[in-house]
Amino acid sequence: GQNIDQPTEMTATEGAIVQINCTYQTSGFNGLFWYQQHAGEAPTFLSYNVLDGLEEKGRFSSFLSRSKGYSYLLLKELQMKDSASYLCAVRDSNYQLIWGAGTKLIIKP
Amino acid sequence: GAVVSQHPSRVICKSGTSVKIECRSLDFQATTMFWYRQFPKKSLMLMATSNEGSKATYEQGVEKDKFLINHASLTLSTLTVTSAHPEDSSFYICSASPGTSFSGANVLTFGAGSRLTVL
Repeated sequence: GQNIDQPTEMTATEGAIVQINCTYQTSGFNGLFWYQQHAGEAPTFLSYNVLDGLEEKGRFSSFLSRSKGYSYLLLKELQMKDSASYLCAVRDSNYQLIWGAGTKLIIKP
Repeated sequence: GAVVSQHPSRVICKSGTSVKIECRSLDFQATTMFWYRQFPKKSLMLMATSNEGSKATYEQGVEKDKFLINHASLTLSTLTVTSAHPEDSSFYICSASPGTSFSGANVLTFGAGSRLTVL
């Protein structure tokens, strides 16, 4: 079966750096997405990786290793507003999105 | 950027009634829209893929007679929860992507979601 694994919850301190990992086993691979979801709201797009390597976008970076079935989202200079759930999703060979359960990130002052 | 509008954001209804949720792409045409359901602290669960001008494609285990989907135009899809029961209470989210296929770097844009509570 297809599976996306990411930690359930993480805690970090304001101003610090946090890395959220995602591992996947899917039928084929056509890109990996990271979304941010605040409580009670819909997900918003953060990043897209289809080739190996690091994609940087401001305070957020996303890394992909296709051979390892692994990605991480790196958040720098954490702010209180970064408290949210972070969803990892992989698009399989049928262009279906497979979603992880999300990682709830708690930022403490 | 692409904007998807979803309405209503919250709805409370009595058991046995039907509720309609609308999803509109405001600044792009969407041949395909997706309807998701999300339980608390759980992942997004794809319910169905809505195709303009044709029948929706439902995921396994989703009752098509219970969750009616109509995609009448390139900018509007509706989800109707028929004869709602308390177990249908959930967060329903629609999404769409510009273009005719969800490929390449085309990104899914989500509506704000609809919180349904069935009493």
